[in-house]
Amino acid sequence: DAEITQSPRHKITETGRQVTLACHQTWNHNNMFWYRQDLGHGLRLIHYSYGVQDTNKGEVSDGYSVSRSNTEDLPLTLESAASSQTSVYFCASSERLAGGNEQFFGPGTRLTVL
Amino acid sequence: GQNIDQPTEMTATEGAIVQINCTYQTSGFNGLFWYQQHAGEAPTFLSYNVLDGLEEKGRFSSFLSRSKGYSYLLLKELQMKDSASYLCAVRPTGGGNKLTFGTGTQLKVEL
Repeated sequence: DAEITQSPRHKITETGRQVTLACHQTWNHNNMFWYRQDLGHGLRLIHYSYGVQDTNKGEVSDGYSVSRSNTEDLPLTLESAASSQTSVYFCASSERLAGGNEQFFGPGTRLTVL
Repeated sequence: GQNIDQPTEMTATEGAIVQINCTYQTSGFNGLFWYQQHAGEAPTFLSYNVLDGLEEKGRFSSFLSRSKGYSYLLLKELQMKDSASYLCAVRPTGGGNKLTFGTGTQLKVEL
């Protein structure tokens, strides 16, 4: 069965370190998204991609970067982790066309920055 | 920009009906989604509306009024497993398939 996975599921790191969160989908979806979820803020879009070599900034992109070298993967990098980036991170993917194509979410990564 | 409002919390009784409202203000509209999210889990898709009216899916229905910037999710015959957060999300025009989410409504179903 097709799926979307994230790794690691839990991560503790220190302020200033570079951290990369992996997202891998086997749906063969063109669209991939990264969100963070915090109490009181809901899901907020960090970065998104509509295909290989395409990346775009979301509403909370400062301090984060992504790259899309193939269809299956969209890794999220925190260049220099800050305590404000402690959050739960969700990756999602969807079909290329809009319409009623929903986003499928991965299980999430809980990141703690000390 | 987008602004989406939902009640923070609701409580309902098992077997009853509950309506979760969502109002939105957007610079362009191209669809509204509802997701369910159990504690500690990923959001899962419930429904999609792009035209005015009611979409029914078993115990769940979703309504949209584009002129009023208003949607609701109706849950019938509530079960304990329906205790979860319900997220309203809007897709803007010209935005591909990216979504803007509300902060979610935490529903508690009691006996």
